[in-house]
Amino acid sequence: DVKVTQSSRYLVKRTGEKVFLECVQDMDHENMFWYRQDPGLGLRLIYFSYDVKMKEKGDIPEGYSVSREKKERFSLILESASTNQTSMYLCASSPGGGDLYGYTFGSGTRLTVV
Amino acid sequence: KQEVTQIPAALSVPEGENLVLNCSFTDSAIYNLQWFRQDPGKGLTSLLLIQSSQREQTSGRLNASLDKSSGRSTLYIAASQPGDSATYLCAVGSWGKLQFGAGTQVVVTP
Repeated sequence: DVKVTQSSRYLVKRTGEKVFLECVQDMDHENMFWYRQDPGLGLRLIYFSYDVKMKEKGDIPEGYSVSREKKERFSLILESASTNQTSMYLCASSPGGGDLYGYTFGSGTRLTVV
Repeated sequence: KQEVTQIPAALSVPEGENLVLNCSFTDSAIYNLQWFRQDPGKGLTSLLLIQSSQREQTSGRLNASLDKSSGRSTLYIAASQPGDSATYLCAVGSWGKLQFGAGTQVVVTP
């Protein structure tokens, strides 16, 4: 089974801190994604990557950046955390030609910014 | 822009009843549709993936249909059990990206 692992289940950070959320997949998938999930707003795409060192903005990239130095790892960076970034963050991956194979999600990171 | 709607938003049924969850989308130019299950505070678990060329997919008690021309998909869960209680999300895929519905929260009472 494909595994997508997010390094932290729960995280509490202070306003203004730089925050790194890490995601690792073990099945050599080309595509990786970061979503946030909020009550009433559903899942929204922040950033995605189709290949190493490549990144594309999703629907809500403001306040975030990403890094993909290795194929298996996709990091989400909050340059200066704010309280409105308190949310559940979900990482996903899919093979190249992902439309044929669907997505696999990680367990999520619940981030609280105080 | 693709809009994905799930109705109803919440559903409560007694154990043993069949569940019917609906998903509609506005743009029929999709590559696939995926149904997920989410337990409280957890990530998403993939249930079924239907390619745009397919009409349905089945896995155990789960059956999902897809009618691209009318922009609809239905997830059927036969003989529901308390363990089926969760939020069910549908997501429409095109050009490698997924657009999600808001989900249907299901409670199966013993």
